[in-house]
Amino acid sequence: QKEVEQNSGPLSVPEGAIASLNCTYSDRGSQSFFWYRQYSGKSPELIMFIYSNGDKEDGRFTAQLNKASQYVSLLIRDSQPSDSATYLCAVNIGYSTLTFGKGTMLLVSP
Amino acid sequence: GAGVSQSPSNKVTEKGKDVELRCDPISGHTALYWYRQSLGQGLEFLIYFQGNSAPDKSGLPSDRFSAERTGGSVSTLTIQRTQQEDSAVYLCASSANGMRSAKLFFGSGTQLSVL
Repeated sequence: QKEVEQNSGPLSVPEGAIASLNCTYSDRGSQSFFWYRQYSGKSPELIMFIYSNGDKEDGRFTAQLNKASQYVSLLIRDSQPSDSATYLCAVNIGYSTLTFGKGTMLLVSP
Repeated sequence: GAGVSQSPSNKVTEKGKDVELRCDPISGHTALYWYRQSLGQGLEFLIYFQGNSAPDKSGLPSDRFSAERTGGSVSTLTIQRTQQEDSAVYLCASSANGMRSAKLFFGSGTQLSVL
């Protein structure tokens, strides 16, 4: 069974803090990794993608990939209440199918 | 179009009836995906189209589920003899191509409720 695992949370952080979201995956052949944000009642929205080991930064977001350990993480700096959402980790397993984790709920308190 | 369009946004049906859900992908996107999301659950893959063909339909849960895509554009997901466990949000996504690096863009979904 090829899986993507995330802690369901909620992860609670105060405004201005760094939120760290983690994801592990089972398929060593995975090559593409994505983070989606999903507000309650809305559809997922792509916020970050990473293909190579290391860090990738985009504004307040940093994606980190460690293929040897089979984990990918998302850091959100200077967290804002508007960042409160469920964050879905998605991993490409197979030629084209994205497998999603169940998501981590993030709550940022003012 | 500017984004992925799905219709209807809500569908309430009686157990045993057939339903059709429609997806209109972003113009020029060759790959199209159907997922479903039950309350509090993650996204469950159903089927992937590249053009009009479906190289991966491994996620269709039973033979009551079928999908087609015509003209390399609009796709229809059909559920026959609906059951209560079919109740979920059905999400369609498209990408510019079907490569591993492809970024998926989602529509707003169809909320299906089977009574």
